[in-house]
Amino acid sequence: KAGVTQTPRYLIKTRGQQVTLSCSPISGHRSVSWYQQTPGQGLQFLFEYFSETQRNKGNFPGRFSGRQFSNSRSEMNVSTLELGDSALYLCASSLEAGTGGWAFFGQGTRLTVV
Amino acid sequence: DAKTTQPTSMDCAEGRAANLPCNHSTISGNEYVYWYRQIHSQGPQYIIHGLKNNETNEMASLIITEDRKSSTLILPHATLRDTAVYYCIVRARQLTFGSGTQLTVLP
Repeated sequence: KAGVTQTPRYLIKTRGQQVTLSCSPISGHRSVSWYQQTPGQGLQFLFEYFSETQRNKGNFPGRFSGRQFSNSRSEMNVSTLELGDSALYLCASSLEAGTGGWAFFGQGTRLTVV
Repeated sequence: DAKTTQPTSMDCAEGRAANLPCNHSTISGNEYVYWYRQIHSQGPQYIIHGLKNNETNEMASLIITEDRKSSTLILPHATLRDTAVYYCIVRARQLTFGSGTQLTVLP
């Protein structure tokens, strides 16, 4: 069974631009969660999607948004990029919503904002 | 979310057991304890979880104290590839990662 796939693996963007990251969950998993990891703040929860609906949201500004498609694939978007958005963005999939503890992570997308 | 406390770092000799402690004194009765690890620049990897009984799988064992206020993750025969940051998490709707323990397995 294929794991969680995140694309692209690496990305370089300029301040003020926007970016879209993609996550394909494990087959059969319907929940997708997104996390941001920075050296200073560690791993922080962004949001969770289940059945195309956002079920849970972390404490991030509205520039961070996401969506989920009917095939459970998810995208997250960051608008008006800031230098501080440089981070490893991780996606995790699980069978059901709210089962945060039983989640499988992708390898992440490394975003660098210059 | 129940808060967890872990040592910042630990060393372990290759081939020996690595015992990683975690304190979660505010855990609720129906909250599970989960362990993940993250090898440098990779996504976190699920290791094991438990509620009140001790658990074992092919990767590790989890010992939870009777009062559930603390737990220990045991890697029975640590290898160099086990060098990673280990996170102890009390299950909530989402995973709330603390700082974890940097385990370094020494040759």
